[in-house]
This record gives sequence, C-alpha cells and structure tokens, in this order.
Amino acid sequence: AQSVAQPEDQVNVAEGNPLTVKCTYSVSGNPYLFWYVQYPNRGLQFLLKYITGDNLVKGSYGFEAEFNKSQTSFHLKKPSALVSDSALYFCAVRDATSGTYKYIFGTGTRLKVLA
Amino acid sequence: ETGVTQTPRHLVMGMTNKKSLKCEQHLGHNAMYWYKQSAKKPLELMFVYNFKEQTENNSVPSRFSPECPNSSHLFLHLHTLQPEDSALYLCASSLAGGDTYEQYFGPGTRLTVT
Repeated sequence: AQSVAQPEDQVNVAEGNPLTVKCTYSVSGNPYLFWYVQYPNRGLQFLLKYITGDNLVKGSYGFEAEFNKSQTSFHLKKPSALVSDSALYFCAVRDATSGTYKYIFGTGTRLKVLA
Repeated sequence: ETGVTQTPRHLVMGMTNKKSLKCEQHLGHNAMYWYKQSAKKPLELMFVYNFKEQTENNSVPSRFSPECPNSSHLFLHLHTLQPEDSALYLCASSLAGGDTYEQYFGPGTRLTVT
C-alpha cells in the first residue's frame, strides 16, 4: 500500500538557520510526491512536487525538496528559515494503484521558527 | 487565495439538524475531494469525484452524503451527526486524468456538533 511517514511531530529552528522537515514514502510504481503547508485557519497550500527528473525540486517561498530514491525520502528544506514559515507541513504521495485520483497524506509536522 | 471557496466557514449544529457544506472551484478542474481534518489525526480522505462521478467513498458513514452537480461545485449534506464528527472539513480540486497534478484546497468549514 502507498504511504508516507513524517517522523517528527514538531521541528524547532532558529530564524536564519537552515530547516529540514522529513518525509519517507512507500509506493509501488513511480513515486509522485508533494509538499503542502497549512497556516492557522487556512486550507492546505501546494508548495512543490516531484514527478521525475532532477532530484532537487524548487518550490514556493524559497522551499526546496530533495528526492532520494535509495532512502525513499523526500525531505523539505530551506536554507534560511523565517518566523513566517511557522506552520503545519504535510507530505503526500499520489496513490496510483487505486485507479482513482487519491492522495495519501502524512500526519503533518509543525514547524516553529524562533526569533 | 487558491480559487477554491467554501461556505460556511463556521457551522454549529445539533445532532438532529440537517445542514450542507458548499464548495466551489474557479480553476477549471474536473476532480473534487472532501477531506476531514481532526486534531492530532492524519488528514482523512472522504470522497472523490471525477467529472461529476463519485470514484471514492472511503468508508464514510451514511450521515455524510456528497453531491456533485457539476465539475465546479461540490456539496456535503449532513444529518444526524455525532459529536465526534466535529472537525475541519476541507474541499480540494485538481485536474484529473493524470498522476502528477497537485490539489488546491479551500479554507475549510469548521464544524462543531453539539
């Protein structure tokens, strides 16, 4: 079965420091991977996706993610964190086995950037 | 904003009430989704519609009844809910027909069942 795991419930980082939010996946077939961010009282916003090609994917707000096939990981990164990056981050994988347009989400990681 | 609107934003209802949640997308998408987001739980997919046809019902209780009259509108009809149904209900849309399309989410309806 397709799944994603976000091993950290919360990540704290000082403003200006690099941040990493971890995601590992398990899929059969090609992995189509996504990152979303949720700010308080808002829906999820798409950040970036990996479909094929370059293992380093660049997305919105200066975020990027590194796809690592051997480690089945898709970690979200940013070189210099901002306080405004504080939010809930979700990793997701497209479930291509069911024949429907179904996405499997991780449990989310709360990022706190400290001033 | 993302081009997906949801109304109402907040709803308080008793267990015997009937209410409906509405979602509208202005993105030209043809797949629409309902999710339930509860505190400290993973995002739960409830229903998927592709080109107005329901293609996924993720073992959702019958007190939740979806309706998709066209590719731009999605409803979730609610009746005789339970307190544990209190949650944030999110609507999303995407292009259909491929594996690579991201979803666009509405702001959600915060539902409280009393």
